[in-house]
Amino acid sequence: DAKTTQPPSMDCAEGRAANLPCNHSTISGNEYVYWYRQIHSQGPQYIIHGLKNNETNEMASLIITEDRKSSTLILPHATLRDTAVYYCIVRLAEYGNKLVFGAGTILRVKS
Amino acid sequence: NAGVTQTPKFRVLKTGQSMTLLCAQDMNHEYMYWYRQDPGMGLRLIHYSVGEGTTAKGEVPDGYNVSRLKKQNFLLGLESAAPSQTSVYFCASSYSAGRSSYNEQFFGPGTRLTVL
Repeated sequence: DAKTTQPPSMDCAEGRAANLPCNHSTISGNEYVYWYRQIHSQGPQYIIHGLKNNETNEMASLIITEDRKSSTLILPHATLRDTAVYYCIVRLAEYGNKLVFGAGTILRVKS
Repeated sequence: NAGVTQTPKFRVLKTGQSMTLLCAQDMNHEYMYWYRQDPGMGLRLIHYSVGEGTTAKGEVPDGYNVSRLKKQNFLLGLESAAPSQTSVYFCASSYSAGRSSYNEQFFGPGTRLTVL
C-alpha cells in the first residue's frame, strides 16, 4: 500500500480557503486518493476521492498533481465546524478493500 | 435512513467480563468493518466482512470475535475483556451494487468502552 505523509496540524481563518496537502510518492497507477475527516468524538466522514483528475463535490475540491505523487484537499470557505482531523488515504478501489488510517492533519479553523 | 447505528454508546466492564457490540446498517451495504481508536491515534481495523456469513481479520484482531449472520448486522464480541481493550469502537459499512467506488465507508457514532 502506498504510504501518505501529512502535516500534523494546520490553522485556517474562518471564511478563507483551507488547503490540506498530502504526499503519496509511491502511489501506483490504479490506486485512488481518498479523504476523510473526523470531527471530535464522532465517526469519520467521507469527503471526496479521485484517481487522476481533479474532483469537486459539495464539500470540497481535490487537486491531484499530474505525476500523482501529491494531492491537496481544498475547503473553499472554511467554517468553525470544519475543525477536525483530516485523513488522506491511498487505496485500491476493490471489493472489501480496507482503509488504513494514519495520524492525519488536525485542522483548526479560527474566527 | 438511520445509516449506521451502534449499540451501546457507552459501557464500563471489569477485567474478564464479556460483552457484544452491535452494529446495524440500513443501506443494504455488502461490507462492514469494526475499528478501534485509541487516544491521539488513527483508526485501526479489527475485523471486517465482505458479505453475510463471512468475516476476516484486520490489523488488530486478537481478543475479539465477530459474526455476520444477517447482512444488516455485524457483531463484535469481547470474550474476556482486558484493560488494553479500553478504546472507542467504530463500525462502518460500504458498497452497494451500482456504485463505482467501494471505499466510501459510512461510520457509526462509536461506542466508548472502558475496561477496569
